[in-house]
Amino acid sequence: IQLTQSPSSLSASVGDRVIITCRASQGIAINLAWYQQKPGKAPKVLIYAASTLQSGVPSRFSGSGSGTDFTLTISSLQPEDFATYYCQQLDNYPRSFGGGTKVEIK
Amino acid sequence: QVQLVQSGAEVKKPGASVKVSCKAPGYTFTNHYVHWVRQAPGRGLEWVGIFNPAGGTTSYAQELQGRVTMTGDTSTNTVYMELSSLRSEDTAVYYCAREARYRDSGGSYFYYFDYWGQGTLVTVSS
Repeated sequence: IQLTQSPSSLSASVGDRVIITCRASQGIAINLAWYQQKPGKAPKVLIYAASTLQSGVPSRFSGSGSGTDFTLTISSLQPEDFATYYCQQLDNYPRSFGGGTKVEIK
Repeated sequence: QVQLVQSGAEVKKPGASVKVSCKAPGYTFTNHYVHWVRQAPGRGLEWVGIFNPAGGTTSYAQELQGRVTMTGDTSTNTVYMELSSLRSEDTAVYYCAREARYRDSGGSYFYYFDYWGQGTLVTVSS
């Protein structure tokens, strides 16, 4: 299953609303997770089952979608949110990842 | 406390093999699958394969079939990933990650990677 994220990068300001999309090449129900990765660090899970917020993750992060189209929304971008975001499908094997979206400071 | 602790950086010549370990204290080792994910410099995440500590079963990325082997040791709660016939394109940070399983109110299961190792840089260079 191929996952296509868009955009591949974006520039935004603190306080902005940011939306990242992930499209699957075939239906995956809600078997999708979102991760945040900062330089030199391992990824960290934000959302699983498309819309369930991982414990400890700020509520400004939210996920939605099912089937083939998914979104990750950051309602009000904070300085610590500048990072790269990846979607991952866990519907079958291989557990493929999207290409990533780098969120940079405008 | 759940941790995944990986072995240190490696430098290998083309054609050699490398074996990376991932020690997993702090939880019941056989209750969770362990995955390996790699990330080439400046690139995205690439799934390498999965190891089931309970039965030793594996599944690997098609492009690495025949070169990758994952094993485990339940006496030390450690998973190993060995990659042979190394090429320059294998230069990457290799991560192990634990797969969590979540059951919703309807009885459906969902999965995600909840804990990750710190990463092991494998450099392949002549």
